[in-house]
Amino acid sequence: ETGVTQTPRHLVMGMTNKKSLKCEQHLGHNAMYWYKQSAKKPLELMFVYSLEERVENNSVPSRFSPECPNSSHLFLHLHTLQPEDSALYLCASSQGSIITDTQYFGPGTRLTVL
Amino acid sequence: AQKITQTQPGMFVQEKEAVTLDCTYDTSDPSYGLFWYKQPSSGEMIFLIYQGSYDQQNATEGRYSLNFQKARKSANLVISASQLGDSAMYFCAMRDYGGATNKLIFGTGTLLAVQP
Repeated sequence: ETGVTQTPRHLVMGMTNKKSLKCEQHLGHNAMYWYKQSAKKPLELMFVYSLEERVENNSVPSRFSPECPNSSHLFLHLHTLQPEDSALYLCASSQGSIITDTQYFGPGTRLTVL
Repeated sequence: AQKITQTQPGMFVQEKEAVTLDCTYDTSDPSYGLFWYKQPSSGEMIFLIYQGSYDQQNATEGRYSLNFQKARKSANLVISASQLGDSAMYFCAMRDYGGATNKLIFGTGTLLAVQP
């Protein structure tokens, strides 16, 4: 059983489309994260939210726009993406953002940009 | 800068045998945390085990144990009595204390295949 859900699980979009990825955590956590996992590359942290405030933006292009309306929900809005943005996008949450907190991940959204 | 290295792109193990997945790390911070995650083909990253740099004993969680050798900066994952369901990618990760956030740095992973 996973406490972090992501929708959709698969998404195919053209470069001119606008779409959104959704993440929801049912663990009562205060921090949420977006990661990108490309083939043959380590996971890359994209954004961190703590108590609905963005605390880290890891030099992500502006075509990715995160939104955290409350501590249970996190969105990633996508527009005018490039084929190289095709990847698995993983959401995670943790109790807080202190050093001992374990992050729990969702199943990911596999994105293909045509 | 902190770095995680996993030198085994792929491993095979017979069912019911033990297997060790290697992980070395590099950091200048005296306080850090090390994690192992499992990623099946479904994509979800499943937390397995955590080791803090000041922990006196090696972490264990069921069939998983972490062989923590601080002087050698290694944190190998040992899976005992392998099962077919253990076939997956395994990632070693380290907490990055460079910023104020709970940032994990991941290795490139090891693909484990358990053979019947």
